[in-house]
Order: sequence, then structure tokens, then C-alpha cells
Amino acid sequence: DAGITQSPRHKVTETGTPVTLRCHQTENHRYMYWYRQDPGHGLRLIHYSYGVKDTDKGEVSDGYSVSRSKTEDFLLTLESATSSQTSVYFCAISEERNTEAFFGQGTRLTVV
Amino acid sequence: GDSVTQMEGPVTLSEEAFLTINCTYTATGYPSLFWYVQYPGEGLQLLLKATKADDKGSNKGFEATYRKETTSFHLEKGSVQVSDSAVYFCALSRSGGSNYKLTFGKGTLLTVNP
Repeated sequence: DAGITQSPRHKVTETGTPVTLRCHQTENHRYMYWYRQDPGHGLRLIHYSYGVKDTDKGEVSDGYSVSRSKTEDFLLTLESATSSQTSVYFCAISEERNTEAFFGQGTRLTVV
Repeated sequence: GDSVTQMEGPVTLSEEAFLTINCTYTATGYPSLFWYVQYPGEGLQLLLKATKADDKGSNKGFEATYRKETTSFHLEKGSVQVSDSAVYFCALSRSGGSNYKLTFGKGTLLTVNP
């Protein structure tokens, strides 16, 4: 199994509070991704990174920011959580941009 | 833009039945194609892949053939087991250009009954 750890695995937070999710990899892969999974929508890309300090937006980036200060860590921040951000968040990594991605176990976030 | 369309399901089969989950795609260039599987409460795992036309990916009894003429990558298994119950996702990654992401279908829930 690819070495990907997401933390926390579960979180309940209140509307309006900031939340940070962490993805840590031990594979030294260049590319890292944050997806959210919602019923009826499959997986949607939030942000991705193609190197340290190199990030770009995905298809559902509003209300989210990311940072990557080290190869192994990719942080996703919800600046002011809303109920619509209740979801399961997955981190993924890939060695190159067109190779398969490996996924973490997911973080279930509930915004109340 | 790139897109993946897969049969919505849910699909319910009896053990040892034949499985087909349809997947078609829209993409420019020459995408790589993937099937991922998600078991309850877990992340996605790569099931199989194909990187060029006419390639057949296979793993754990599952197969899929990259058909460029029909832009399809249908997943098949000859005899399903209860342990195959999961959500299956078809995905593509397009080579060339600035595409840095996988594009996923919406997933197909498979339930196999004893």
C-alpha cells in the first residue's frame, strides 16, 4: 500500500470556523491532490500540487485553500466552513501526472 | 473538457453471475484509462489500467479493454463473489497538455448476494 496518511479521519466542526486537513506521504511523489466525494457527484477535484509551493485550482476550489511547504505534506484549509462542505475528503498522490493515483483513507468532515 | 460516463447502477447480482459495468469517455489526445474500486469505509484502490488503444487491463479476475473506436473501457468479470461488493469508478488521465488530474465517472455500486 502506498504510504499516505490523512488526518484527522473524522471531524465535526461548526459553521464559520476554519478547518485544516492534512495529507502526509512517504512515497516522495511529485503530484498531490485533494478530492471531495459526495453522493451523486463522484469525486471532484478541489486543488492539486505539482511540486513544493506549486499548486493550482481544481473544479470545486471556492472556499478552499491549500499549501505545500514540503514534498511530503499537502494541507487543505476550509477558510470558513459551511454546511455545503460536509463531505468525505480524499488525498491522492501520483508519481507523474498521467500515471495512476493512490488514495488515502479519507477524512469525513461534518459541518454543523 | 474531459468526461467519463459510466452506468449508474446500483447493480445487484447473484454470486457467480457475469458482470459488465459500462464506461465511455470523452477526451482529446490519448488518455490512459483506469478502473478504481472503493470498499465500504475505505479509499479508492486501483483495480486495473490501460494506457493505449487495444490494451487489456486485468486484475483479480476483472478485465477491461481500451477501445478507441468506441471510446469505451467496459469492466467485466466472469464470476462475481460477495467480496466484490463495492463501488467501481472509471477514470481517465489525458496525456499531453496541462492535464494534471484524473477525471472520474460518478461510480457504480455493485452488490453481490450469496
